[in-house]
Amino acid sequence: EAQVTQNPRYLITVTGKKLTVTCSQNMNHEYMSWYRQDPGLGLRQIYYSMNVEVTDKGDVPEGYKVSRKEKRNFPLILESPSPNQTSLYFCASSFYQGGTEAFFGQGTRLTVV
Amino acid sequence: GQQVMQIPQYQHVQEGEDFTTYCNSSTTLSNIQWYKQRPGGHPVFLIQLVKSGEVKKQKRLTFQFGEAKKNSSLHITATQTTDVGTYFCAANAGNNRKLIWGLGTSLAVNP
Repeated sequence: EAQVTQNPRYLITVTGKKLTVTCSQNMNHEYMSWYRQDPGLGLRQIYYSMNVEVTDKGDVPEGYKVSRKEKRNFPLILESPSPNQTSLYFCASSFYQGGTEAFFGQGTRLTVV
Repeated sequence: GQQVMQIPQYQHVQEGEDFTTYCNSSTTLSNIQWYKQRPGGHPVFLIQLVKSGEVKKQKRLTFQFGEAKKNSSLHITATQTTDVGTYFCAANAGNNRKLIWGLGTSLAVNP
């Protein structure tokens, strides 16, 4: 089954404690991206990757890091989480950037206290 | 930066009424996609429109792309409670092919 898998689904953490949200896709997609979703602000892109070892900033990259060592995986790293990073996060993948269907993961609801 | 304006932000309807959400851009779009996000769920792709004036239907849903490729609409005929959710448009414009997302329209349906 074609899917994007994110883990964990829910996470409560404390300010400053490094965390990683994993994302994996089984569709051999080249393009992967991370979004955060906040009430009234829609989906905002954090980082994206056009292929292995190719990553770039989206609209709201501050406080986040990503890596793309393998085509299927695109983890999101918060080196020192802060309460303003409390949000719902989605990983998405597609064959290429724009023009093809984006598949989304189930989402990760992160709370930073 | 480039924006796609989506209206309305919220819509409450009685079951059986029609519903329409609109996306508008000041610049010409290459294509536009529509997604649905159920409460507590993730966005799910519905359709992509590419051609000027294109109209596509999926059962009770009708999608249109304007002649100038600057606007699009999603119309639901005779809404049902299963239509509840947030509908997003995501447009592609320019050479970088980055998707520009509308803020979404949240639809509530009263049974």
